[in-house]
Amino acid sequence: QSALTQPPSASGSPGQPVTISCSGTSSDVGAYTYVSWYQQHPGKAPKLMIYEVNKRPSGVPDRFSGSKSGNTASLTVSGLQAEDEADYYCSSYAGSNNYVFGTGTKVTVL
Amino acid sequence: EVQLVESGGDLVQPGGSLKLSCAASGFTFDSYGMKWVRQAPGKGLEYVSAISKNGDTTFHANSVRGRFTISRDNSKNMLFLQMGSLRPDDMGVYYCATEGFDFWGPGTMVTVSS
Repeated sequence: QSALTQPPSASGSPGQPVTISCSGTSSDVGAYTYVSWYQQHPGKAPKLMIYEVNKRPSGVPDRFSGSKSGNTASLTVSGLQAEDEADYYCSSYAGSNNYVFGTGTKVTVL
Repeated sequence: EVQLVESGGDLVQPGGSLKLSCAASGFTFDSYGMKWVRQAPGKGLEYVSAISKNGDTTFHANSVRGRFTISRDNSKNMLFLQMGSLRPDDMGVYYCATEGFDFWGPGTMVTVSS
């Protein structure tokens, strides 16, 4: 199972939107609605930000949103804040109890 | 409050074995499946293993199948990962996580080197 493809980096000024893509296949992203997004600050554990494509866990700001079209999922941060600077990973269910993670995107707030 | 705390990470020689533990609290442990995810230094996340809530179903990624074994002790709210035939590419931080990746522990570092 190959990792999902994400751009290595993305950036934006405070208050601006940024969108990260997560490209998979018809066997993972395209087949299931179990796409999640995680935020990871340096030296810290990942934190779930979006699950089941577009659902936010309690406590996650509503500036974070998710979507999916075909084999590609996306995470959008509608108004960047300094604390959003982190690495972001997507994941997808791939069938038979298997999950696959994305390659990761480093988001920089300019 | 959900808490997951991993332990057991260490420096081990190639070919060696190690057993990781994850202590869970703040939720009904035996009602949820659990997972292990690892992260090599400077690299991305890799799904390693999963176990059902009662332990009767397990999954191991191709990269560790036959070498790693996931297990749990619901009477002690503990999750385990028995690691064998360790290789340098097994090195990294190992995280335990709840079924939907909702909660993660801080991780424990495994170093494989001679």
